[in-house]
Amino acid sequence: EPEVTQTPSHQVTQMGQEVILRCVPISNHLYFYWYRQILGQKVEFLVSFYNNEISEKSEIFDDQFSVERPDGSNFTLKIRSTKLEDSAMYFCASSDWRGSDEQFFGPGTRLTVL
Amino acid sequence: AQKITQTQPGMFVQEKEAVTLDCTYDTSDQSYGLFWYKQPSSGEMIFLIYQGSYDEQNATEGRYSLNFQKARKSANLVISASQLGDSAMYFCAMREGGGSSNTGKLIFGQGTTLQVKP
Repeated sequence: EPEVTQTPSHQVTQMGQEVILRCVPISNHLYFYWYRQILGQKVEFLVSFYNNEISEKSEIFDDQFSVERPDGSNFTLKIRSTKLEDSAMYFCASSDWRGSDEQFFGPGTRLTVL
Repeated sequence: AQKITQTQPGMFVQEKEAVTLDCTYDTSDQSYGLFWYKQPSSGEMIFLIYQGSYDEQNATEGRYSLNFQKARKSANLVISASQLGDSAMYFCAMREGGGSSNTGKLIFGQGTTLQVKP
């Protein structure tokens, strides 16, 4: 069964460093998303991406964040200068269209900022 | 205002019994979708079930069913014949909007932790 994959599963970084979180969405999906979940809290939307551009972003997704689809398979989230409060689980998700009855999540990347 | 409200932080159920996890939502859109996800202690988000606002029948997927009451804006998840492996956090989520206003983003509730007792 096709699935969303994410690498790495766990990333530890120093405050102020740049990190890139990688995702491979399901191959025939066209809509891609990043969410984050601070430990013990709810899942929060960061950004949606379609047709090589951001279609919506949340207030959390400030200038320190960027997304890219560098090739036909990968979808990346970059945090330019990490802060302690960026420590969270980051989930990538994809769907075949924006009104889909399914949105599949990857296993997540746990980011720890020291 | 909260768009998705899950009022039960934690629930217990005896193995083999049914359990209902509550979810209420708030939207002025006519077209929207409601999702339930399971998050076990390992952390992944597992899609369980979906209900569209125009669906006349309640959604069912195996032991999962969604009790959709549109007028009350509730979308409760019913798990029948609970198993020990059902112990997890459960999240209700909503996708708002139809047409170009819909980007597919999901808004999540705070979650309910379910523990199944043997």
